[in-house]
Amino acid sequence: DIQMTQSPSTLSASVGDRVTITCRASQSISRWLAWYQQKPGKAPKLLIYEASSLQSGVPSRFSGSGSGTEFTLTISTLQPDDFATYLCQQYKGYAYTFGQGTKLEIK
Amino acid sequence: EVQLLESGGGLVQPGGSLRLSCAASGLTFSTYAMSWVRQAPGKGLYWVSGITGSGGSKYYADSVQGRFTISRDNSKNTLYLQMNSLRAEDTAVYYCAKDLRGVGYFDLWGRGTLVTVSS
Repeated sequence: DIQMTQSPSTLSASVGDRVTITCRASQSISRWLAWYQQKPGKAPKLLIYEASSLQSGVPSRFSGSGSGTEFTLTISTLQPDDFATYLCQQYKGYAYTFGQGTKLEIK
Repeated sequence: EVQLLESGGGLVQPGGSLRLSCAASGLTFSTYAMSWVRQAPGKGLYWVSGITGSGGSKYYADSVQGRFTISRDNSKNTLYLQMNSLRAEDTAVYYCAKDLRGVGYFDLWGRGTLVTVSS
């Protein structure tokens, strides 16, 4: 299976900050990568697909980039509602795999 | 309203069985591939199984291959996961998820149903 590794595991930031989360794949996945936001006790919410395509209804302060094995999710100006856990997922082929998550905390 | 609603979770002994259901509403269910994804307490997401819109192709994670069976009834807009020979490590919240374009990312998730495997 393709392993997905996120960094950092925890990120402390303030409202208004710009933050970047990295996801690395154990082998090339082209641009077959999605990003999700998950809040405690809730299902994940799709933010980005195909590495950089913004899902409908997701604020434009979220952006994604990368290809091959290295990807990033950037939140340009943190809002209070953005404090959550972020997960990447590869879908190059079955079995789909997720990163372990990055918890974004209020500093 | 477009939604997915899982049911069927609960407490089961090791070696036991459960069948999960996921009822879809507000969408043309048969159009979409679907998957089950689980999340153990305090852990990350783990893809379990997927099925094409027609039900003709099914896919499984290695850890559940031979123990779990995914199926769907498009006339009832319902996805199923039959889980046999359950183990403690299968304990998790199980989500059903809709595959937006049939390529492997999920734009709609249910609320999840908790499966606890314990004696």
